Amino acid sequence: LVLTQSPGTLSLSPGERATLSCRANQGVSSSYLAWYQQKPGQAPRLLIYGASSRATGIPDRFSGRGSGTDFTLTISRLEPEDFAVYYCQQYGSSPSVTFGQGTRLEIK
Amino acid sequence: QAQLVQSGAEVKKPGASVKVSCKASGYVFSGYSLYWVRQAPGQGLEWMGWINTNSGVSEYSQRFQGRVTMTRDTSITTAYMELSGLRSDDTALYYCAREEAVGPTRAFDIWGQGTMVTVSS
Repeated sequence: LVLTQSPGTLSLSPGERATLSCRANQGVSSSYLAWYQQKPGQAPRLLIYGASSRATGIPDRFSGRGSGTDFTLTISRLEPEDFAVYYCQQYGSSPSVTFGQGTRLEIK
Repeated sequence: QAQLVQSGAEVKKPGASVKVSCKASGYVFSGYSLYWVRQAPGQGLEWMGWINTNSGVSEYSQRFQGRVTMTRDTSITTAYMELSGLRSDDTALYYCAREEAVGPTRAFDIWGQGTMVTVSS
């Protein structure tokens, strides 16, 4: 299974809306699709699990949706602290876990 | 609160082995599986394998089969990842992460701080 994230880099300004895509080359269970945020020098942080459920403490400006092969992470109104790298991840049979290559969200 | 604390940075020569530890606290250790993920400098995340901390059964990514061993010691709530036959391209930040299962969903809700392993002659 391969997860392809797009775009590779997204340049936006604070206050704008960000839409990040994660596409699988075969259907995946929504239950096993998660999104993570990683800032420089930090471990990844869980944002979304089960494709659309926010993890504990995650602001409601973050939302996830999708099914089958197409999933989306949306940040409704960008805050300065949201500029980071975002990864989608899924569980499968072999390999057990796959990550997308990441989308870098940078300040325009 | 639940946390994972990893061992410190390591510098190894090519061909050597490294063993990274991941100490869990604040939750029932054997109630959650632990995964290992690595990240080469400037690169993305790569799954290495996981261990069922209750049974001790582990599964490894094919990329690391034969070179990686994951174990745990429930008496001290610590998991270990040992990688042998180190090469320069094994230079990376190694993370342990706890798998949380909420109903049918699964994700990594807690991560260690990472252990930098540098392989250099």
